[in-house]
Amino acid sequence: KAGVTQTPRYLIKTRGQQVTLSCSPISGHRSVSWYQQTPGQGLQFLFEYFSETQRNKGNFPGRFSGRQFSNSRSEMNVSTLELGDSALYLCASSREGLNTEAFFGQGTRLTVV
Amino acid sequence: GDSVTQMEGPVTLSEEAFLTINCTYTATGYPSLFWYVQYPGEGLQLLLKATKADDKGSNKGFEATYRKETTSFHLEKGSVQVSDSAVYFCALSEGIQGAQKLVFGQGTRLTINP
Repeated sequence: KAGVTQTPRYLIKTRGQQVTLSCSPISGHRSVSWYQQTPGQGLQFLFEYFSETQRNKGNFPGRFSGRQFSNSRSEMNVSTLELGDSALYLCASSREGLNTEAFFGQGTRLTVV
Repeated sequence: GDSVTQMEGPVTLSEEAFLTINCTYTATGYPSLFWYVQYPGEGLQLLLKATKADDKGSNKGFEATYRKETTSFHLEKGSVQVSDSAVYFCALSEGIQGAQKLVFGQGTRLTINP
């Protein structure tokens, strides 16, 4: 059974640009969540999608957005990149319901220069 | 809001030593509790979980017991190996959203010397 797949693994972008990251969940998982990991702030929840709808949102500016497609694949977009957006972005998928587990991808390492 | 506090790192131990990484939480309801592990350059892997008070999660020699009275979920292992070197995260999830929204502790870096 394939795990959560995130592409690309590494990205280098310039300040002011925008970037799109992709996440393919485990087959059968309809929930996809995104997290930002930085040395200073640790792991922070960005948002969660279920059945193409954003169900939860963390405390990030509107430059961070996402979407989910009918096959449960998800993308997140960051516009007008800032140096502080440099981070490891992790995607997790899970089945619906209580007491389920989140399975994480290997992440996309974004560097903004 | 909900929060998780982990023991400050880094932690350095010799092989075969006993390990404890402390984790306490604050939550308004009845969360599920998790320990995740992150190896260098990798994402997070679920190590173990517990979904209700007094549950004990265990995996690969690691154990943690959900203690509601002390709001704790400390990670223990009786004899660590060099391969256990990694960053360990305690996390909680709560409510109908289940595992879809996790709150993490700050992580504890563990180094095991041969």
